[in-house]
Amino acid sequence: NAGVTQTPKFQVLKTGQSMTLQCAQDMNHNSMYWYRQDPGMGLRLIYYSASEGTTDKGEVPNGYNVSRLNKREFSLRLESAAPSQTSVYFCASSEGSGGRNTIYFGEGSWLTVV
Amino acid sequence: DAKTTQPTSMDCAEGRAANLPCNHSTISGNEYVYWYRQIHSQGPQYIIHGLKNNETNEMASLIITEDRKSSTLILPHATLRDTAVYYCIVRVLRAGNMLTFGGGTRLMVKP
Repeated sequence: NAGVTQTPKFQVLKTGQSMTLQCAQDMNHNSMYWYRQDPGMGLRLIYYSASEGTTDKGEVPNGYNVSRLNKREFSLRLESAAPSQTSVYFCASSEGSGGRNTIYFGEGSWLTVV
Repeated sequence: DAKTTQPTSMDCAEGRAANLPCNHSTISGNEYVYWYRQIHSQGPQYIIHGLKNNETNEMASLIITEDRKSSTLILPHATLRDTAVYYCIVRVLRAGNMLTFGGGTRLMVKP
């Protein structure tokens, strides 16, 4: 069971470079999310997509863009990476976006910006 | 959303029950209590959730007080693999509401 799959798992970027984190889920979920987690901290929501064709900002959206490519895939783009974006990034999905829906997470993508 | 308060860390002996408390004194009637755990920087893992009644599944039990201002996650027979950070989260029912993670409790299961 794949669940939520993220690529790449590890990436080192230079300041100012751009990159896209890919996420795909095979559970036919409507809602997808991107979180970041800094060392010793809890997760913070960057962007989410409640359903295919919609995206909304979360708690920390600055410096990021997202694309809900189709129902399965939700990508996160860093247009001009900064050292402050060094973090672990988690993609997640749920059947719906209401509180009754359990959210399932991927294994994370470790990003270092030097 | 209601804020939660959890102890920063706890220890538990292997094979014993681990009881992890959470205070959510400002919880409202339409907010669920969710528990997730994160093992060594892996993706957070769903454990259990509840609204008013106590809940049990294959991983754990969730005890919610009658006034809903606090809850306890119980791992009945803790193993070394249960060493993780445990997050208690309250979450409203409405669409578009997201999980908001606090600091969690770092549970150390010791042999």
